[in-house]
Amino acid sequence: NSKVIQTPRYLVKGQGQKAKMRCIPEKGHPVVFWYQQNKNNEFKFLINFQNQEVLQQIDMTEKRFSAECPSNSPCSLEIQSSEAGDSALYLCASPGGAETLYFGSGTRLTVL
Amino acid sequence: QQQVRQSSQSLTVWEGETAILNCSYENSAFDYFPWYQQFPGEGPALLIAIRSVSDKKEDGRFTIFFNKREKNLSLHIKDSQPGDSATYFCAASVWGNMGYKLTFGTGTSLLVDP
Repeated sequence: NSKVIQTPRYLVKGQGQKAKMRCIPEKGHPVVFWYQQNKNNEFKFLINFQNQEVLQQIDMTEKRFSAECPSNSPCSLEIQSSEAGDSALYLCASPGGAETLYFGSGTRLTVL
Repeated sequence: QQQVRQSSQSLTVWEGETAILNCSYENSAFDYFPWYQQFPGEGPALLIAIRSVSDKKEDGRFTIFFNKREKNLSLHIKDSQPGDSATYFCAASVWGNMGYKLTFGTGTSLLVDP
């Protein structure tokens, strides 16, 4: 199965702080997705991109979230100013054939 | 409005029984339906998937039954084991120029009692 690597596993931040998490996609795959899974098990698509280019993102991410995939470096998702409602499991995924995604283990963000 | 709906939030079966997890969807354009298994503290792992051109997909103890007309599907887990205790997510996608964007249900938590 997947070898999408996410770090850190756990992240604790105060409100207003920056939160940054990283992802190494499947075999250096150029397409990466970020999802947020909240405590009610609702998955929310945040952003996806191919190589360094953003393909699609939701309104939420346009304001406080940013993501990038520099060449030869891990991809990252950063929340500029964390809010309590951002506490969730953040999942990085990359395609593995067919029309599906393989996920990493996630970064559990807690905003105090 | 929930595009992918899982009818049971939780399900308990005895070891050895067949667990049946149900899922329905709204968007007729969905054409690919993966099921993911998630253990606490882990990301979801792809378990089995079906395309809308098929009505059944089997992989070992896991079988998907798909009904395109009724817009529903179910995951059957034969001979359930305690190690199958996890949360199962039904998902759906439409292949488009944005690629693999998935819509998820909110999961069914399965407990297999030994």
